[in-house]
Amino acid sequence: DAGITQSPRYKITETGRQVTLMCHQTWSHSYMFWYRQDLGHGLRLIYYSAAADITDKGEVPDGYVVSRSKTENFPLTLESATRSQTSVYFCASSESGGAGYFGPGTRLLVL
Amino acid sequence: AQKVTQAQTEISVVEKEDVTLDCVYETRDTTYYLFWYKQPPSGELVFLIRRNSFDEQNEISGRYSWNFQKSTSSFNFTITASQVVDSAVYFCALNSNYQLIWGAGTKLIIKP
Repeated sequence: DAGITQSPRYKITETGRQVTLMCHQTWSHSYMFWYRQDLGHGLRLIYYSAAADITDKGEVPDGYVVSRSKTENFPLTLESATRSQTSVYFCASSESGGAGYFGPGTRLLVL
Repeated sequence: AQKVTQAQTEISVVEKEDVTLDCVYETRDTTYYLFWYKQPPSGELVFLIRRNSFDEQNEISGRYSWNFQKSTSSFNFTITASQVVDSAVYFCALNSNYQLIWGAGTKLIIKP
């Protein structure tokens, strides 16, 4: 299917565990982004990537790691999950910067 | 500083009424993009429009229209003849240097 997909859609984990959220896009967009959405904070950029092997920090990068070995994939890893990382995570992609299209989101609960 | 302000936290109208959602932005950049997104109760973020700072033409797409005015740094969104399915949170966003600055969103409630 064309578009941008995220997996898993829902995840429950425990404090201290490592969690990886996957993002895959089929458009070959250069830019990819990870956002988190929390009540009272709106959408905040975690990391973004301008191309394969090029990543950069956003507004709230602490506690997260990203990689982009292939243009179509942009996984986000929480190295040691904390309760404050409970959120909805959105991946997005764009051909020219600025997030054009979003994935369906991953709801993460850290207990 | 770059900023997007959506002063209307929540708007409630009766179906078939027209409604305008306001968006005011601040930026020192001469080249930038403005966006509108819709987030229905199901939670996904739906891209509605992207507007280049050099293109001040208004745009109409069905019942949706956008009014971009650089002189007042505004990019307002109007829904004509609103429908219950338009109920959602609408976000305005500003892009510069590959990052999006988001407004807080306006919750639109369309009553049948």
